[in-house]
Amino acid sequence: KAGVTQTPRYLIKTRGQQVTLSCSPISGHRSVSWYQQTPGQGLQFLFEYFSETQRNKGNFPGRFSGRQFSNSRSEMNVSTLELGDSALYLCASSPTPSQGYAFFGQGTRLTVV
Amino acid sequence: KQEVTQIPAALSVPEGENLVLNCSFTDSAIYNLQWFRQDPGKGLTSLLLIQSSQREQTSGRLNASLDKSSGRSTLYIAASQPGDSATYLCAVWGNTDKLIFGTGTRLQVFP
Repeated sequence: KAGVTQTPRYLIKTRGQQVTLSCSPISGHRSVSWYQQTPGQGLQFLFEYFSETQRNKGNFPGRFSGRQFSNSRSEMNVSTLELGDSALYLCASSPTPSQGYAFFGQGTRLTVV
Repeated sequence: KQEVTQIPAALSVPEGENLVLNCSFTDSAIYNLQWFRQDPGKGLTSLLLIQSSQREQTSGRLNASLDKSSGRSTLYIAASQPGDSATYLCAVWGNTDKLIFGTGTRLQVFP
């Protein structure tokens, strides 16, 4: 069974640009969550999607958004990139919301210059 | 607000030692606790999941215990190996419907 797949693995963007990250959950998993990991803040929850609806949202500005498709694949978008957005973005999948556990992908390393 | 703390922040030990990594959380109303391993620049690998009704879980050389009432979990690594070098993260799942992570313990096992 394939794990959580995130693409691309690495990205370099310029301040002010926008970026889209993709996540394919484990087959049969319908809940996808996104986390941001930085050396200073650790792992922070961005948002969770289930049945193409955002169920839960962390404390991030509106520049961070996401969506989920009918096949459970999810995308995360960051607009007007700032240097502070440089981070490892991790996607996690669970069978359903409130499952109480998650499996993570390898992450997308975003560098904003 | 749930807060998760891991002690120590870093640990360097010779190969073969038995290790204990600690995780504490402020709100005991959790459903599950999950231990992860993260290699540099990589994603998270789930090691052990302890449900709130359980007291411990074992996988190979790893054993994790959970004491909900005191808000503590420990990860025991037996006979450590250089390949165990990584950052270990604990995370709790409570009524906020998301994982709350600790700051991690960076482990180095040298030959």
